[in-house]
Amino acid sequence: ETGVTQSPTHLIKTRGQQVTLRCSSQSGHNTVSWYQQALGQGPQFIFQYYREEENGRGNFPPRFSGLQFPNYSSELNVNALELDDSALYLCASSPTGGQAETQYFGPGTRLLVL
Amino acid sequence: GESVGLHLPTLSVQEGDNSIINCAYSNSASDYFIWYKQESGKGPQFIIDIRSNMDKRQGQRVTVLLNKTVKHLSLQIAATQPGDSAVYFCAERDNAGNMLTFGGGTRLMVKP
Repeated sequence: ETGVTQSPTHLIKTRGQQVTLRCSSQSGHNTVSWYQQALGQGPQFIFQYYREEENGRGNFPPRFSGLQFPNYSSELNVNALELDDSALYLCASSPTGGQAETQYFGPGTRLLVL
Repeated sequence: GESVGLHLPTLSVQEGDNSIINCAYSNSASDYFIWYKQESGKGPQFIIDIRSNMDKRQGQRVTVLLNKTVKHLSLQIAATQPGDSAVYFCAERDNAGNMLTFGGGTRLMVKP
């Protein structure tokens, strides 16, 4: 176990709704990255947060947004949900230093959009 | 864009044999590589990593080899066990950013 926790474990939403996913990083880790993993594929980088600021973003539209809190936990928000947003959403935390190399993943939140 | 890919989608091995999982990458600016293991219903689990200034690194029962000349990465698992059955991903990080780029994964199946 990595010590990275995510909630909820599963979620069902309908198209057009909004969703918030939560992540608690491993103790001592100040960098959090979010990934989307479609069924049968590798994880795709969404964005990273370091010291409460966005520190890099992948090829995802602005309706994917995030937050990092002073305790280093993080939220991923997705607005105007689309069917293709159905996926496993993974959070990964990294040790202090900002340059996130070894990333340790949580169990993920499985989102189904109907 | 740059991507990380794998040669074989499924690898089936006999318990006790050695396994080799291969990965090709295309971004010559990548300076750090990681292998992850993902079991069904779980998040990716860190196995081993290697920096671009190395060509080999060993862990417990696992070895990662890096050939920068041909942009190839491999994971060797010694004495493969049923618990090694999972999907294995290689990931790379380029020296300009912090994101990891993952390949599509290889499923390792261990036959008893």
